[in-house]
Amino acid sequence: DAGVIQSPRHEVTEMGQEVTLRCKPISGHDYLFWYRQTMMRGLELLIYFNNNVPIDDSGMPEDRFSAKMPNASFSTLKIQPSEPRDSAVYFCASRPGQGNDQPQHFGDGTRLSIL
Amino acid sequence: GDSVTQMEGPVTLSEEAFLTINCTYTATGYPSLFWYVQYPGEGLQLLLKATKADDKGSNKGFEATYRKETTSFHLEKGSVQVSDSAVYFCALSDRRMGANYGGSQGNLIFGKGTKLSVKP
Repeated sequence: DAGVIQSPRHEVTEMGQEVTLRCKPISGHDYLFWYRQTMMRGLELLIYFNNNVPIDDSGMPEDRFSAKMPNASFSTLKIQPSEPRDSAVYFCASRPGQGNDQPQHFGDGTRLSIL
Repeated sequence: GDSVTQMEGPVTLSEEAFLTINCTYTATGYPSLFWYVQYPGEGLQLLLKATKADDKGSNKGFEATYRKETTSFHLEKGSVQVSDSAVYFCALSDRRMGANYGGSQGNLIFGKGTKLSVKP
């Protein structure tokens, strides 16, 4: 079975540009999560969705960040305008159903560099 | 709030050495506990899990036992290999009894990660 698929794997762009990260969760998974990983702050949860509905976006750093999930098989994380401090690895994860014993499955991440 | 504390790295071992990475947690509910591993350039992969007290999770020679009395979930391996070099994350997923906590149920709270380097 295909795992969580993220694109692009690497993105290098200049500050001020719009960046769009994409994620395809595992089919049948009800939850989708976006994380950011940096050396300084470690792994941070940005936002998560349940059945395509955003449930908690308290981790989104500021209004420049937005996330959507138009259907069960696709989500985007957008940064507009981008800043150098947004440079990080962004991970998408998904998991099935209710209950806290279900593990999250992670994609390979998008390594974002803002110059 | 809920939290996970794991030993800081980096940890450097010789091949075939014994590994312990300590992890302790605080939680107000009834958490499930996980260890994830991240190899260079990759995402996090589930290594093992335990869902209730005294459960032992195991995979690829790694083990961890859910100790409620000491709120710990230490990761161990009897003989590490060079291929075990990676970053290891301890995590908890809280479960609240009773009322529906809706979207907050089952989120993962991660430790900061411990980098393991195994030398041949």
